[in-house]
Amino acid sequence: GAGVSQTPSNKVTEKGKYVELRCDPISGHTALYWYRQSLGQGPEFLIYFQGTGAADDSGLPNDRFFAVRPEGSVSTLKIQRTERGDSAVYLCASSRTDSTGELFFGEGSRLTVL
Amino acid sequence: SQQGEEDPQALSIQEGENATMNCSYKTSINNLQWYRQNSGRGLVHLILIRSNEREKHSGRLRVTLDTSKKSSSLLITASRAADTASYFCATTNSGNTPLVFGKGTRLSVIA
Repeated sequence: GAGVSQTPSNKVTEKGKYVELRCDPISGHTALYWYRQSLGQGPEFLIYFQGTGAADDSGLPNDRFFAVRPEGSVSTLKIQRTERGDSAVYLCASSRTDSTGELFFGEGSRLTVL
Repeated sequence: SQQGEEDPQALSIQEGENATMNCSYKTSINNLQWYRQNSGRGLVHLILIRSNEREKHSGRLRVTLDTSKKSSSLLITASRAADTASYFCATTNSGNTPLVFGKGTRLSVIA
């Protein structure tokens, strides 16, 4: 596609459930980023992939959060045993090389944990 | 953690006026970028300024960077109602580190 695609756009789940959020970056972009954004706040960094490997996962809040990018394209953010505090918009972005250039963002996946 | 801090948090102006938003950061940078976000949407890149640059223009946008003061400003001239959005600055100190965003400035342009 022309832009970064994220699915689902909305996800409502119950506390304790497992959730997967998918990101399809712009074709050919080697860098992929996951951010989390709460209402009224700026995006908070979670994890950064360069190709298939996680170059920086220092923003993952705890071991319930995990992300993969097995073929260097599509990425999945996985959240286990969801908690109400995980409710936020999860944003994915890609860039051609790295953060020295422009990031292209998807529309986000809004996660609500009841 | 958030590196950039935008000021003001909120700004309301009349259509046709200029809007100025400021960003301060804490550590040395490779580049500073400004993004715009309409309510409920993703972020859109506006402009990137590198650490060795002092000013850049793009259409009605003007960005300045003062590395000695660790600050940047975004000026939108002749604002329009369609400019209503949140504006974020973001910095990185190298290509291997992710962009770190501030909390943003919410701009309202009243027609």
